[in-house]
Amino acid sequence: ETGVTQTPRHLVMGMTNKKSLKCEQHLGHNAMYWYKQSAKKPLELMFVYSLEERVENNSVPSRFSPECPNSSHLFLHLHTLQPEDSALYLCASSQGTSGGLSSRSTQYFGPGTRLTVL
Amino acid sequence: QKEVEQDPGPLSVPEGAIVSLNCTYSNSAFQYFMWYRQYSRKGPELLMYTYSSGNKEDGRFTAQVDKSSKYISLFIRDSQPSDSATYLCAMSGLRNNNDMRFGAGTRLTVKP
Repeated sequence: ETGVTQTPRHLVMGMTNKKSLKCEQHLGHNAMYWYKQSAKKPLELMFVYSLEERVENNSVPSRFSPECPNSSHLFLHLHTLQPEDSALYLCASSQGTSGGLSSRSTQYFGPGTRLTVL
Repeated sequence: QKEVEQDPGPLSVPEGAIVSLNCTYSNSAFQYFMWYRQYSRKGPELLMYTYSSGNKEDGRFTAQVDKSSKYISLFIRDSQPSDSATYLCAMSGLRNNNDMRFGAGTRLTVKP
């Protein structure tokens, strides 16, 4: 497989369930990101990991818990979610996190996991 | 005021039309401007990027930035049904990728 893959592609869960989203990148990148995409709203950056260390946590509720065991894998653990958490969760990776435009900063996105919380 | 404003549409045009997609922003620190294309059931993919003000052309696509007006545009010439997708503008400053801000996306349909 190439690029950024995400599993599962679709997930339906109840508010009391615990589930995990998985992201894997095959690009040799060092930075990985979780975004939330809700209908008619901008992409919201949730977490950033660089070289397996979390470098950004944008005031995300504690019911979302990220994990980055190595530079190729990123997880998002979910527990006691709310219906308003239903959205498309996108994973992305880049070579680095430096700003500007370069091959290092370009982010490559996975196809997303469509999450529905009942 | 939102940092980045983008009309979500939907926008429907006939094949061959010229499409104009736009975003406005409020943060004057933004220096890099990008357009992503997102097909249904796919993640966004980088389509074009520009630095500071000016135009950039790539085939049927032209990206335009007017920093004085805090306004960016993407033009699609001779639009094709395969251009049907959601187009997201994005912009960032100089510091790092964590500063990147996205528009809500405009859903475009090009009808044959």
